[in-house]
Amino acid sequence: ETGVTQSPTHLIKTRGQQVTLRCSSQSGHNTVSWYQQALGQGPQFIFQYYREEENGRGNFPPRFSGLQFPNYSSELNVNALELDDSALYLCASSLDQVSSYNEQFFGPGTRLTVL
Amino acid sequence: DAKTTQPNSMESNEEEPVHLPCNHSTISGTDYIHWYRQLPSQGPEYVIHGLTSNVNNRMASLAIAEDRKSSTLILHRATLRDAAVYYCILRASYTGNQFYFGTGTSLTVIP
Repeated sequence: ETGVTQSPTHLIKTRGQQVTLRCSSQSGHNTVSWYQQALGQGPQFIFQYYREEENGRGNFPPRFSGLQFPNYSSELNVNALELDDSALYLCASSLDQVSSYNEQFFGPGTRLTVL
Repeated sequence: DAKTTQPNSMESNEEEPVHLPCNHSTISGTDYIHWYRQLPSQGPEYVIHGLTSNVNNRMASLAIAEDRKSSTLILHRATLRDAAVYYCILRASYTGNQFYFGTGTSLTVIP
């Protein structure tokens, strides 16, 4: 069984640029959530995708967008990067968004630095 | 979203039990209590969860107060590999899989 993988591991961008981060779900999982973790803080929920549809969103502006593909892998896109977007971006997959007790499996994250 | 309150940091000696507290006074009847931990340079990993009754698994035990306004994660014998940030999270059934993390408790294990 393959765990959650994310790419790239590290990324450096400049202010105003756009970035795409990728996530491969754990085998059999149809739900993906994305989180932003600033240094010294807990992860903040960005949004969740369930069977290719956005299913819940945290307090993030529209320049944060995503996609989920038929194989349940996912992308996080961030436009017009700002310095405050520098963070660790975590992807988590789970089986089925319905249950409130399903375990989430997190990837190792992508460290984004915006200069 | 229901909020949780945890101490910023705690210390424990190796091979001793650790009790990590969490207050969640605004918990609703359908909120599950989840604990995750994040080791350095890794994503969070599941530890344990519960609703009303105390729970045990191979990693830890979860003690839930009778009024559910607080809970305690118990590591029975702390090891150096248990040094991590521990997050107590309330997860409402109506919000699906969305987790709202606080700042967690940073556990230091002293050899």
